[in-house]
Amino acid sequence: GAVVSQHPSWVICKSGTSVKIECRSLDFQATTMFWYRQFPKQSLMLMATSNEGSKATYEQGVEKDKFLINHASLTLSTLTVTSAHPEDSSFYICSALAPYTDTQYFGPGTRLTVL
Amino acid sequence: AQTVTQSQPEMSVQEAETVTLSCTYDTSENNYYLFWYKQPPSRQMILVIRQEAYKQQNATENRFSVNFQKAAKSFSLKISDSQLGDTAMYFCAFMKRPGNTPLVFGKGTRLSVIA
Repeated sequence: GAVVSQHPSWVICKSGTSVKIECRSLDFQATTMFWYRQFPKQSLMLMATSNEGSKATYEQGVEKDKFLINHASLTLSTLTVTSAHPEDSSFYICSALAPYTDTQYFGPGTRLTVL
Repeated sequence: AQTVTQSQPEMSVQEAETVTLSCTYDTSENNYYLFWYKQPPSRQMILVIRQEAYKQQNATENRFSVNFQKAAKSFSLKISDSQLGDTAMYFCAFMKRPGNTPLVFGKGTRLSVIA
């Protein structure tokens, strides 16, 4: 149980385009999901907290207009990187909070490369 | 604010031996969770073990156990009978209760299991 998927696992795009990453909880409902960014050989950096049916809460320094988060259902949160630039290239990981366990389960991550 | 410190950037252990990874944290909270997550080369974050702060008994999961010292704010992970598949980055993480709050991660310890 407690499986979280992410799609796509790998995406390459041109500078200036937008990319959408999906995070799904497959066997549980998640009212809260989190989005992290990870640079090579570093720890995870929290970008935002996503609550179903409400606006996401962004961490200081994260541009909310650039990283759009939508949590429209109890099993799906999306992260859209708008007008992507090479400095947005990174590994993006989502997690979902499993109910009654207070434990976050992570998706497999999405590697974004912006050319 | 909470902080998590992992003072061992890299460690190695012989197969079948035991290794202990260190983690200290700082918080003024009294009600929280502590976690160890494993990130193998695939980069999938995998929950290893979880400890509730109110529980005095140390958590165990098969070959993995923790030494939780609440007063000292210490939370070490012991891996017994190390296996090649244990080679990974290990992250210690803190989370306030209730669980819809973000994880605070340490910088990680890279563990190599040597045949």
